[in-house]
Amino acid sequence: EPEVTQTPSHQVTQMGQEVILRCVPISNHLYFYWYRQILGQKVEFLVSFYNNEISEKSEIFDDQFSVERPDGSNFTLKIRSTKLEDSAMYFCASSVGPQLDTQYFGPGTRLTVL
Amino acid sequence: AQKITQTQPGMFVQEKEAVTLDCTYDTSDQSYGLFWYKQPSSGEMIFLIYQGSYDEQNATEGRYSLNFQKARKSANLVISASQLGDSAMYFCAMRGGKLIFGQGTELSVKP
Repeated sequence: EPEVTQTPSHQVTQMGQEVILRCVPISNHLYFYWYRQILGQKVEFLVSFYNNEISEKSEIFDDQFSVERPDGSNFTLKIRSTKLEDSAMYFCASSVGPQLDTQYFGPGTRLTVL
Repeated sequence: AQKITQTQPGMFVQEKEAVTLDCTYDTSDQSYGLFWYKQPSSGEMIFLIYQGSYDEQNATEGRYSLNFQKARKSANLVISASQLGDSAMYFCAMRGGKLIFGQGTELSVKP
């Protein structure tokens, strides 16, 4: 069964460093998302992406964040200058359609900022 | 604004018994989807079940069923015949675009 994959599973970085989190969505899906989950808290929406453009973003997704689909398979989240409060689990998700279609999640990347 | 509320931070159930996890939602949209996800201790988010706002029948997927009461804006998850592997966090979520998640309910299944 096709699944969303994410690399790395765990990333440790120093405050102020740039990180790139990678995702490979399910191949026939057209809509891509990033969510984050701070330890012990609920999952929060960051950004949605369709047709090589951001379609929606939350207030969390400020100028230090960016997303890209550099080729036909990868979908990346870049955090330009990491802060301690960026430590969280980051989930990538994808869906066939935009509104009511099920979003399938990857296994997540645990980001630890020291 | 859309909102999902899960009022049970933790629940216990005896193995082989049924358990209901509560979820209420608030939205002004006419068309929306309701989802339940399971998050085991390993951290991944596993899709369990979906209910569309226009679906007249309650959704079922194996041991999972969704008790959808539109007038009360509730979408409770029922797990029948609980198994030890059901111990996990369970999140209710609503979609009219992005997913909005509730705070989650931690379910512990006792042998």
